[in-house]
Amino acid sequence: DTAVSQTPKYLVTQMGNDKSIKCEQNLGHDTMYWYKQDSKKFLKIMFSYNNKELIINETVPNRFSPKSPDKAHLNLHINSLELGDSAVYFCASSRDREQPQHFGDGTRLSIL
Amino acid sequence: DAKTTQPTSMDCAEGRAANLPCNHSTISGNEYVYWYRQIHSQGPQYIIHGLKNNETNEMASLIITEDRKSSTLILPHATLRDTAVYYCIVREFSGNTPLVFGKGTRLSVIA
Repeated sequence: DTAVSQTPKYLVTQMGNDKSIKCEQNLGHDTMYWYKQDSKKFLKIMFSYNNKELIINETVPNRFSPKSPDKAHLNLHINSLELGDSAVYFCASSRDREQPQHFGDGTRLSIL
Repeated sequence: DAKTTQPTSMDCAEGRAANLPCNHSTISGNEYVYWYRQIHSQGPQYIIHGLKNNETNEMASLIITEDRKSSTLILPHATLRDTAVYYCIVREFSGNTPLVFGKGTRLSVIA
């Protein structure tokens, strides 16, 4: 059973489109995160939600909007995709804000 | 910015202990040392964390110096599957501060 699952695994789309990435965790965790790993392999936090409430919002363009319908899901919607959005996006979860984080296997987004 | 300094890469022979160093000379009293690793094409994986005492779990041991300015992650018997990028991260335990990943150390385990 996959603990943190992301869909799709690969996403290839054109500039200007709107797309969503879904994340689900079956660990019963309260806190979920989105990270971005760029082509230089730097991994950076984008957002963090605790019990469906936003607690961390790093400097991310407002084209990126996270949505948490319940504690087990944190989806990432991206409007007007740009070339620079090409990256691997990782979802993660933790039991609470202090505990270690469990990561999904990533969504590889390529913008043409 | 990451508050840690790690060597860019290291090699280790299979079956030997892998000792990965990390400097965190500006660590503050309420910051923990965390280690994660990222195997190629996978998400990061939590390994271990500690405050000031040495810690051991089924994956690794963490040795933190008495002044807490550096630490060493030890994989006691490295296997080929331990080939990965290893990240040393310092973070407050309050939970409102994010994990800040640096460049990490690329460990290659060689047969």
